[in-house]
Amino acid sequence: NAGVMQNPRHLVRRRGQEARLRCSPMKGHSHVYWYRQLPEEGLKFMVYLQKENIIDESGMPKERFSAEFPKEGPSILRIQQVVRGDSAAYFCASSKEPGTEAFFGQGTRLTVV
Amino acid sequence: DAKTTQPTSMDCAEGRAANLPCNHSTISGNEYVYWYRQIHSQGPQYIIHGLKNNETNEMASLIITEDRKSSTLILPHATLRDTAVYYCIVKDSGGSNYKLTFGKGTLLTVNP
Repeated sequence: NAGVMQNPRHLVRRRGQEARLRCSPMKGHSHVYWYRQLPEEGLKFMVYLQKENIIDESGMPKERFSAEFPKEGPSILRIQQVVRGDSAAYFCASSKEPGTEAFFGQGTRLTVV
Repeated sequence: DAKTTQPTSMDCAEGRAANLPCNHSTISGNEYVYWYRQIHSQGPQYIIHGLKNNETNEMASLIITEDRKSSTLILPHATLRDTAVYYCIVKDSGGSNYKLTFGKGTLLTVNP
C-alpha cells in the first residue's frame, strides 16, 4: 500500500515564476491537507480539501496561493509569482476520514532564487 | 485544542528505552493525544494515539495518566534511526477537527 506521494521532491524556481506541487493521497483516502514548514519553524496548516472541494483554506496566504483536488488526479498546490519568502518545505497529508490519523508525504522542498 | 508542553531535547543510549513526556493539563474529555515524529528532512510520521487507556503498537507505547493531564511515549529499544523531533498533539478526533497543531516538539537524540 503506497504511502502519500509528493512530487517533485525538490523544486527550484526564480522569483516571479510559478510553482506547482503535486500530492497523491494514500489509496482509499479522500481527505488531503497541505502544511508548510518554513526554515527553522514548525509545521503550519495551510488547507484541507476533499475531492473537488476546498473545506478549509484558513492557513493559506490570501494572494498567490491556491489549491485544488480534482475528481481525477492528484491534489495540486499552486504558488504564483513566487518570492524568496516562499522557500520552504511543503508537506501533504491524507486521511481516510477527517479528524482521524493523517499520513504525510516526504514533502517538496521549494527554493526560490 | 489543549496546549501541550514538551522538553526541548532529550538524549537516549542506543538499545535503551526512550521515555518522552508530554504535559497537557487543559485536555478536555473528548480530546485525544497524538504523537508524530519528524526525522530530519522527512515528512512527519504518525506514531500512535490514545484517549485514556494505554496503547501499544509496533512502534511505541503510549501511557496516559489517570487524570489525563500528562502522557509518556515509550520507544522500548531506541535505535539510531529513532533520532527525530517528537511532537505531542492534543486534538478532538471528530470530523470538525482535522488540523494538527505542531509545537516545537522534543528533539530526541539516540547516541551509540
